[in-house]
Amino acid sequence: GAVVSQHPSWVICKSGTSVKIECRSLDFQATTMFWYRQFPKQSLMLMATSNEGSKATYEQGVEKDKFLINHASLTLSTLTVTSAHPEDSSFYICSAHGQLSNQPQHFGDGTRLSIL
Amino acid sequence: DAKTTQPPSMDCAEGRAANLPCNHSTISGNEYVYWYRQIHSQGPQYIIHGLKNNETNEMASLIITEDRKSSTLILPHATLRDTAVYYCISSDNYGQNFVFGPGTRLSVLP
Repeated sequence: GAVVSQHPSWVICKSGTSVKIECRSLDFQATTMFWYRQFPKQSLMLMATSNEGSKATYEQGVEKDKFLINHASLTLSTLTVTSAHPEDSSFYICSAHGQLSNQPQHFGDGTRLSIL
Repeated sequence: DAKTTQPPSMDCAEGRAANLPCNHSTISGNEYVYWYRQIHSQGPQYIIHGLKNNETNEMASLIITEDRKSSTLILPHATLRDTAVYYCISSDNYGQNFVFGPGTRLSVLP
């Protein structure tokens, strides 16, 4: 099946630093990638949708200047949490969707971000 | 808000079939039903999806009612490793615009 790799799986950093998370589709070309956030005991919430070569579309309430998304190729998207603060601590999950319609999204294994 | 509703939790005995229901009464004609599961601290795992016909793969079967207003995911022989939160999602035929509800927490009991 389709494989999506997310890196790092776990990161701890100090408040005020920036953290970059990578999402790669390993065996298919992802025209669209999605970034979700999941707080403890809650469901996934979509943060933004990115199409290769164009600007990401952010969901209401998600600060685009804080969560920078780059989707420069058909196999790689990155999410950078800028000037992270403790309230940004969460489980961040990416997914990728290929070029064919009615195919499912395939998810990475997530990145647990802890800001001290 | 999610366009599907699921029971918050279910138990199933190991080795028995697990039948997980989902209501999607407002589903439109071009929307598919997707099922995923999430084991603690991992990303969601794709299980199966369908439009109107019943579907089966190596993981599960998906039964969609004729009016398409509800569906059932069937794990034929549940194991302890099937303990997870199961999400039912209806989405357009481009597999995008997923809205996750709280899902069903399935506990497979020995």
